[in-house]
Amino acid sequence: AQRVTQPEKLLSVFKGAPVELKCNYSYSGSPELFWYVQYSRQRLQLLLRHISRESIKGFTADLNKGETSFHLKKPFAQEEDSAMYYCALSADNTDKLIFGTGTRLQVFP
Amino acid sequence: GAVVSQHPSRVICKSGTSVKIECRSLDFQATTMFWYRQFPKQSLMLMATSNEGSKATYEQGVEKDKFLINHASLTLSTLTVTSAHPEDSSFYICSARGTSGSAGYEQYFGPGTRLTVT
Repeated sequence: AQRVTQPEKLLSVFKGAPVELKCNYSYSGSPELFWYVQYSRQRLQLLLRHISRESIKGFTADLNKGETSFHLKKPFAQEEDSAMYYCALSADNTDKLIFGTGTRLQVFP
Repeated sequence: GAVVSQHPSRVICKSGTSVKIECRSLDFQATTMFWYRQFPKQSLMLMATSNEGSKATYEQGVEKDKFLINHASLTLSTLTVTSAHPEDSSFYICSARGTSGSAGYEQYFGPGTRLTVT
């Protein structure tokens, strides 16, 4: 069964500290992985996807098929990064998204 | 661009009544829209995939007769919760997938509708 696991419900760091939000998945095929972000009182929006291999707002994520992970990283957290982050998986040739339970990132000044 | 709206943003209804939630893609055409449900402090759970001009595809465990989905045009999908009960109270979120152009093939999410059944 397809599953996305985000082990941390809450991650608190100080401004300027490195951040890593963990995401592990289980899927036997070739998944497409995403990170979505939801800022306070805003809708869910795409942060990045593994196939684009780009850095958005300083965040990067590398798909590790051996460890079935897609951790989200940023070397220096900013206060404006405080938000809810969801890891999501899309199975082969479908648009359906399976979401993890989310991690709330709090960045303190 | 690529904005998805939902109406209403919040609705309270009595047990046994039906309530309709609209999802609109405002500036792009969406052949596919998705309906999610989110319980407090939990993740989004996909309920169904809505394709324009055809029947929706429901996820396992979702009652199609209770959650009626209609996708009559390329910019509008509706979710009707029939004979609502308090356990149907939840946050319902839709997303719309672009077909090309500026919207691309990304899913764009609506702001959600908070349903409370009393």
